[in-house]
Amino acid sequence: DGGITQSPKYLFRKEGQNVTLSCEQNLNHDAMYWYRQDPGQGLRLIYYSQIVNDFQKGDIAEGYSVSREKKESFPLTVTSAQKNPTAFYLCASSTRKGLAGGPSDIQYFGAGTRLSVL
Amino acid sequence: GQNIDQPTEMTATEGAIVQINCTYQTSGFNGLFWYQQHAGEAPTFLSYNVLDGLEEKGRFSSFLSRSKGYSYLLLKELQMKDSASYLCAVNYGGATNKLIFGTGTLLAVQP
Repeated sequence: DGGITQSPKYLFRKEGQNVTLSCEQNLNHDAMYWYRQDPGQGLRLIYYSQIVNDFQKGDIAEGYSVSREKKESFPLTVTSAQKNPTAFYLCASSTRKGLAGGPSDIQYFGAGTRLSVL
Repeated sequence: GQNIDQPTEMTATEGAIVQINCTYQTSGFNGLFWYQQHAGEAPTFLSYNVLDGLEEKGRFSSFLSRSKGYSYLLLKELQMKDSASYLCAVNYGGATNKLIFGTGTLLAVQP
């Protein structure tokens, strides 16, 4: 089955610790995205990547880092500089083929990782 | 700036029809998307609109008016499993496919 796999489902971070959230897709999608969801707020974009070895900051990139060494993988590291990391983290991907505004723009989401601070 | 407004909560009765509105103000527009999100789960794609008018997909329909910055999601023959949050999102980033999401409308379907 094709899809987006996020792991772990739950993650706990200690003070001063960096943690890495995994996101893998086998949909052959070019573009991948990381969002953060907090209660009462819309999803907010952290980082996105449209092609391997390239990624761009989103609206709330401070305290986070990413890499895109393979098309299938887009891991997110929550660094100790992120002072309020408790949230639901969602990874998404899209094909990005063709013109903007069509089916290729549809972003499909993984099941998410819930990060809490110990 | 970018802004999307949706009602916070709505209640409807099983078997009925409900309309969830979304208004947006964005620096660009390349499509509007609706997602369904059950509590604690990932959003799942429902529909998208690029041009003005109505798009129908089974029990779900979505309407767009670009001149008014307005969309709605129409759910027919409501079922209990439709109780969820419904997210409106706009692609304002063009080729970058950057989306801005509304805070979501929590729909409660009652028997």
